[in-house]
Amino acid sequence: DTGVSQDPRHKITKRGQNVTFRCDPISEHNRLYWYRQTLGQGPEFLTYFQNEAQLEKSRLLSDRFSAERPKGSFSTLEIQRTEQGDSAMYLCASSPAENYGYTFGSGTRLTVV
Amino acid sequence: AQSVTQLDSQVPVFEEAPVELRCNYSSSVSVYLFWYVQYPNQGLQLLLKYLSGSTLVKGINGFEAEFNKSQTSFHLRKPSVHISDTAEYFCAVSEPGSNYKLTFGKGTLLTVNP
Repeated sequence: DTGVSQDPRHKITKRGQNVTFRCDPISEHNRLYWYRQTLGQGPEFLTYFQNEAQLEKSRLLSDRFSAERPKGSFSTLEIQRTEQGDSAMYLCASSPAENYGYTFGSGTRLTVV
Repeated sequence: AQSVTQLDSQVPVFEEAPVELRCNYSSSVSVYLFWYVQYPNQGLQLLLKYLSGSTLVKGINGFEAEFNKSQTSFHLRKPSVHISDTAEYFCAVSEPGSNYKLTFGKGTLLTVNP
């Protein structure tokens, strides 16, 4: 069990560019979550996958955001046409079926300049 | 809609002193409650959770919390803190049928001074 891995750890991008983050969950966990954490705030739910199906999206997830989890393994979160307000820590978490056994990754810190 | 209020944004204490971090929630239904800790530039680690049963929950690193339904509170306590407990602490709530997603408070920065 190597935990939840996120890549990259840090990303600095210019406004208007596209960025993609990757999350590798614990292999036997079929649930995967993305949260966003801005400075001075707690994490906020963005989206949830059960296996490869994206079952819920927050209204925070504008049409510039897209997430995928092909084959129910790793997941990617893409932000198109980044804005300064997208600067945040993006956290991925996975859990086994039907319980709250979340394991969080260390996050990807995005800075949009 | 559920929400979580952490009443103190910062709590400074001296080493070996007791500490209480306060958390209140609002929800119209039964809830599950959690405390997470976050060290700088790291993800969140679960300290303890209340799902059902005894309202006094013991977690890792000597922390405990008590669920008080009448006061809608879930305060975190530790009888004697260490320097290494310095971190951000988040209270979170979840409702049955919500796909196990969590709603977090804004966090409390615990700073333990020598």
